[in-house]
Amino acid sequence: GAVVSQHPSRVICKSGTSVKIECRSLDFQATTMFWYRQFPKQSLMLMATSNEGSKATYEQGVEKDKFLINHASLTLSTLTVTSAHPEDSSFYICSARTGGPNTEAFFGQGTRLTVV
Amino acid sequence: KQEVTQIPAALSVPEGENLVLNCSFTDSAIYNLQWFRQDPGKGLTSLLLIQSSQREQTSGRLNASLDKSSGRSTLYIAASQPGDSATYLCAVRPSGGYQKVTFGIGTKLQVIP
Repeated sequence: GAVVSQHPSRVICKSGTSVKIECRSLDFQATTMFWYRQFPKQSLMLMATSNEGSKATYEQGVEKDKFLINHASLTLSTLTVTSAHPEDSSFYICSARTGGPNTEAFFGQGTRLTVV
Repeated sequence: KQEVTQIPAALSVPEGENLVLNCSFTDSAIYNLQWFRQDPGKGLTSLLLIQSSQREQTSGRLNASLDKSSGRSTLYIAASQPGDSATYLCAVRPSGGYQKVTFGIGTKLQVIP
């Protein structure tokens, strides 16, 4: 299957700083990528849909000014958590679609963010 | 709004036992259903993907079934091993081209040597 690489796998940052997470499709071009968040003992929840060359579409309740998404190329989307707070500590995971709307999406390995 | 429920939330079995994990969903208009494995602090590993037109998929000791009309899927693990210990997630993708996948909360499996 297609490979999606996410970096870093773990990050610890101080409260008030910003953190950038990268999601790369290694062997295919991804016009659409998705960002999910998972809090402890909860299911993965979609945060936003990232489309190459256009603005991301955010799910209800997700602050677009706090979670900045950039999808500048067909193989890279980034999620920046701005002015991070301890409540932003979570597991963030991305997925990338190989083609059109009915093609399969593949998941990255996730990023464990801890804000201290 | 699609809701995905996984039962049981946790399961502990002795090594060698066969087991079944359950997943139910409320909206049968799905494109596919996927089972994942998640190890502690790590990402998702795709196990099996069942398209809406399929009844089951098999990979090694794993077999996943899908009954779309009743909104149910099961993941059968044969001859369980300690290395199977992980959280198993069920995810449903809707039909109609919209990509929002809904995940269940998972079943945490522990296989005791």
